Amino acid sequence: ILNVEQSPQSLHVQEGDSTNFTCSFPSSNFYALHWYRWETAKSPEALFVMTLNGDEKKKGRISATLNTKEGYSYLYIKGSQPEDSATYLCAFKGTYKYIFGTGTRLKVLA
Amino acid sequence: GAVVSQHPSRVICKSGTSVKIECRSLDFQATTMFWYRQFPKKSLMLMATSNEGSKATYEQGVEKDKFLINHASLTLSTLTVTSAHPEDSSFYICSARDRGTNTGELFFGEGSRLTVL
Repeated sequence: ILNVEQSPQSLHVQEGDSTNFTCSFPSSNFYALHWYRWETAKSPEALFVMTLNGDEKKKGRISATLNTKEGYSYLYIKGSQPEDSATYLCAFKGTYKYIFGTGTRLKVLA
Repeated sequence: GAVVSQHPSRVICKSGTSVKIECRSLDFQATTMFWYRQFPKKSLMLMATSNEGSKATYEQGVEKDKFLINHASLTLSTLTVTSAHPEDSSFYICSARDRGTNTGELFFGEGSRLTVL
């Protein structure tokens, strides 16, 4: 059974704090690792698609790293803002399909 | 960016009726669309992969006669929950890949919350 785990399940941070979450995934049959940002009542929006071990990607204050050998990815948010409040989903793409984690629900307090 | 529109966003129906959910790619062609179901506090669970012009591929444990999927064009896939029962109440969401790019990213609809009374 292929499992994708995300931690923590939820967290609250103060505005201006930096934070990070983890996505753990199978280290075999790896094809890609996706990160999505999902705001309430909206569609999940792709943040990053990562394919190579050691990949680091950045979009504004958000960045992600990838370790395919040990099966984990970190998502970092620098200087969190209230508009960063959302659920952050990761998805592992193996040979056949995408497997999603349960998400990390972030609440940034003003 | 690519946009996927899904509707209805909410539907309430009586037990025994059928409900159709549409998923449209508005500005790109999608040969493949995916349908997911999400239970409370659980991850998105893939139900089936919808392929344009051919039969959908269902995941193990998903009843194909219960959840009918049609992907008749490159921009539209539909999920019909037939003879719905309260246990079918859930959040359903679709996603699509843009056949014109190779980024691999998925574009999602807004999701549909089904409540069966």
